[in-house]
Amino acid sequence: DTAVSQTPKYLVTQMGNDKSIKCEQNLGHDTMYWYKQDSKKFLKIMFSYNNKELIINETVPNRFSPKSPDKAHLNLHINSLELGDSAVYFCASSPRVNLAGGSNEQFFGPGTRLTVL
Amino acid sequence: GQQVMQIPQYQHVQEGEDFTTYCNSSTTLSNIQWYKQRPGGHPVFLIQLVKSGEVKKQKRLTFQFGEAKKNSSLHITATQTTDVGTYFCAGPQYGNKLVFGAGTILRVKS
Repeated sequence: DTAVSQTPKYLVTQMGNDKSIKCEQNLGHDTMYWYKQDSKKFLKIMFSYNNKELIINETVPNRFSPKSPDKAHLNLHINSLELGDSAVYFCASSPRVNLAGGSNEQFFGPGTRLTVL
Repeated sequence: GQQVMQIPQYQHVQEGEDFTTYCNSSTTLSNIQWYKQRPGGHPVFLIQLVKSGEVKKQKRLTFQFGEAKKNSSLHITATQTTDVGTYFCAGPQYGNKLVFGAGTILRVKS
């Protein structure tokens, strides 16, 4: 009965490879996110989608490409993996975009620990 | 751009001692959220503060939002080993974008 799920939980791969991480939420939320958490626990947003539309695209190398086939899914594809991509990647979702500048509680997935060798 | 600073970075306390983490924003916030991440886990929403000077309590946790809505604190009374983890504050920037503080890692010695 997981609210936000991610696969895989662990990903170990060689430099230069291409990999994907999948995320699904069954909460009926409109907005989904990808975050990167580095070894110092710093949590930084990468992308956000609202109803399949990209609304936040932070300064992220274009090797990272998010895809939202429907509002319940947000996948992350990474090309030409580099050592610096090693981190924990969290998917999250929230009920709606609040255009008035407020915010809503975000529900995080369990994370995908990516190790690039 | 907006920055959210959080101190201290680490705190080791003896079980039963109190703990406080502080959050400061470079801009006025419409609201502030707090999250807890257990070791090996994912961030979990604790609370949102909206009003200037607001104080909210959850059992042994007390959350405050400053009068100017630029700072916030989380205080834990009489820490327990179950309190270990990283505590994050987060402020909205636009839309539903949250800017997270760097987090405070709490370790509790029993």
